[in-house]
Amino acid sequence: DGGITQSPKYLFRKEGQNVTLSCEQNLNHDAMYWYRQDPGQGLRLIYYSQIVNDFQKGDIAEGYSVSREKKESFPLTVTSAQKNPTAFYLCASSVGERTEAFFGQGTRLTVV
Amino acid sequence: SQQGEEDPQALSIQEGENATMNCSYKTSINNLQWYRQNSGRGLVHLILIRSNEREKHSGRLRVTLDTSKKSSSLLITASRAADTASYFCATGGSNDYKLSFGAGTTVTVRA
Repeated sequence: DGGITQSPKYLFRKEGQNVTLSCEQNLNHDAMYWYRQDPGQGLRLIYYSQIVNDFQKGDIAEGYSVSREKKESFPLTVTSAQKNPTAFYLCASSVGERTEAFFGQGTRLTVV
Repeated sequence: SQQGEEDPQALSIQEGENATMNCSYKTSINNLQWYRQNSGRGLVHLILIRSNEREKHSGRLRVTLDTSKKSSSLLITASRAADTASYFCATGGSNDYKLSFGAGTTVTVRA
């Protein structure tokens, strides 16, 4: 089945640690996105990528890093510099600009 | 700040009634999209309306777009319990791939 897969579903991180969230798509989409969602709030854009080996910062990129070495993969690293990383993280992809986005089921990250 | 802002923040209706929610945005757009999110899940795309369109229908959904007022509305007719979810508008920029979301409207449909 074609789709976008995020793993793990739940992730626990100790303070001071870096963690990497996985996002893989087999839809052959050019564009990929990472969003953060806090309880009862909307989605805030962290990073997005329009093409392999290229990505742009979104509205809240500080404390996060990404890579886009392959078309199908767009991993997000939450670094120790992110002061409040506990949130629900959503990855999405789209064919290109100005089209609908397809979302993964999300990763819930908790700092312990 | 977020590009889109939905109104109301929350809406509770009886099954069979219509639900209307609004979205306002700030900058010029290429398109506006509506998504649904069930609790703790990813978002599902509902409908996309382009900046040169004024109204679009999909099943029980009706979307309008007024670019002069920078606003859109989503109407769900004959609501069902399964429509209980959060609804978000998202705007696609004119010059890039950026897709920006609002804070959402939480809709509860009572049986």
